[in-house]
Amino acid sequence: GIQVEQSPPDLILQEGANSTLRCNFSDSVNNLQWFHQNPWGQLINLFYIPSGTKQNGRLSATTVATERYSLLYISSSQTTDSGVYFCAVVNNNDMRFGAGTRLTVKP
Amino acid sequence: SAVISQKPSRDICQRGTSLTIQCQVDSQVTMMFWYRQQPGQSLTLIATANQGSEATYESGFVIDKFPISRPNLTFSTLTVSNMSPEDSSIYLCSVGQGMNYGYTFGSGTRLTVV
Repeated sequence: GIQVEQSPPDLILQEGANSTLRCNFSDSVNNLQWFHQNPWGQLINLFYIPSGTKQNGRLSATTVATERYSLLYISSSQTTDSGVYFCAVVNNNDMRFGAGTRLTVKP
Repeated sequence: SAVISQKPSRDICQRGTSLTIQCQVDSQVTMMFWYRQQPGQSLTLIATANQGSEATYESGFVIDKFPISRPNLTFSTLTVSNMSPEDSSIYLCSVGQGMNYGYTFGSGTRLTVV
């Protein structure tokens, strides 16, 4: 099946810093999404981005489907950005997740 | 986008018992998915549930342990049977909404088996 790799596995930032999270995938995909899992376990959809670039406030994402990777940018990070960020891809209808990046933003 | 109501949100269960988790969607969807997230791990697909047919299970998951019902296009249940402490996880349901909308997840069920 399709492989999804995320990097880095852990990231510690000072409040106000910027960061880039990466997702590599091993095959062509119909869908790619970025999620944020908060400390209560809720999975929040950040971006649906099978290709191209999208922005939402301090967050933006870019997927280069031909090169099989996606990037999530977080600017001016805040403590509320802490949690785990997952990249997930759809290939043949079901969604597969990467291992996630655990982000800690310190005040 | 679709809204999913999942319950219970959490439960503490005795080993050897079973727990049924419910997901209700506010619109009709063809496919529903069930995931497990073990502590500190990513999400793993358990099975795909289509209305009117048997669920399709991923490698490592069996129907006797995780029976699934899909009686109509807006509802599904997952039962965790004969539980052991190793079943302590977050269980989530999900639906796909077609092109341009991606997949939506329920709020999850945090299960602790003692």
